[in-house]
Amino acid sequence: AQSVAQPEDQVNVAEGNPLTVKCTYSVSGNPYLFWYVQYPNRGLQFLLKYITGDNLVKGSYGFEAEFNKSQTSFHLKKPSALVSDSALYFCAVRDRGSTLGRLYFGRGTQLTVWP
Amino acid sequence: NAGVTQTPKFRVLKTGQSMTLLCAQDMNHEYMYWYRQDPGMGLRLIHYSVGEGTTAKGEVPDGYNVSRLKKQNFLLGLESAAPSQTSVYFCASSFPLIYTQYFGPGTRLTVL
Repeated sequence: AQSVAQPEDQVNVAEGNPLTVKCTYSVSGNPYLFWYVQYPNRGLQFLLKYITGDNLVKGSYGFEAEFNKSQTSFHLKKPSALVSDSALYFCAVRDRGSTLGRLYFGRGTQLTVWP
Repeated sequence: NAGVTQTPKFRVLKTGQSMTLLCAQDMNHEYMYWYRQDPGMGLRLIHYSVGEGTTAKGEVPDGYNVSRLKKQNFLLGLESAAPSQTSVYFCASSFPLIYTQYFGPGTRLTVL
């Protein structure tokens, strides 16, 4: 079975500090991994994805994520947080071998960046 | 290029009423999805479609029906609304073999 865990419901960080939002996954084969962000009263916006290649993936708004196969993790990071980064973040996974295209989402992590 | 649009944005229903949510995309995507989002639950897949005329059940399909008569549209129906269907509903679409899903702005549904 495929699943995603985001172990922290909330992450709080001061503006200018680095931030990490954690994600671990479980799939039967090799994964496709995604991060999405949701601002209040909006739909989900795509941030970045890992398909293959370099384990460090760079995405929108200065975010990056590191794929770690041995730890089955795909943590989202940013070197210097902004107040405007405050939002709900979702990690998602898809089994590379699946033909159906559906994603499995974590429960989300609320990031709050305080000035 | 509007991306993914959803109609309506808000709706209040009484228990037992029916309604249809409309999702439209102008990106020529083959795959389309309906999710519901509840606090602390993340996104749960209701139904999805891998092409015009085809639909399939997701994780939480009970109480919902869908149709994909045209490639660009994906309809979600509630035949007899229940308070447990109070939620925010999101539609998404994607190309096959790419799998990045693009989301609509959501429909906030309240069932009294």
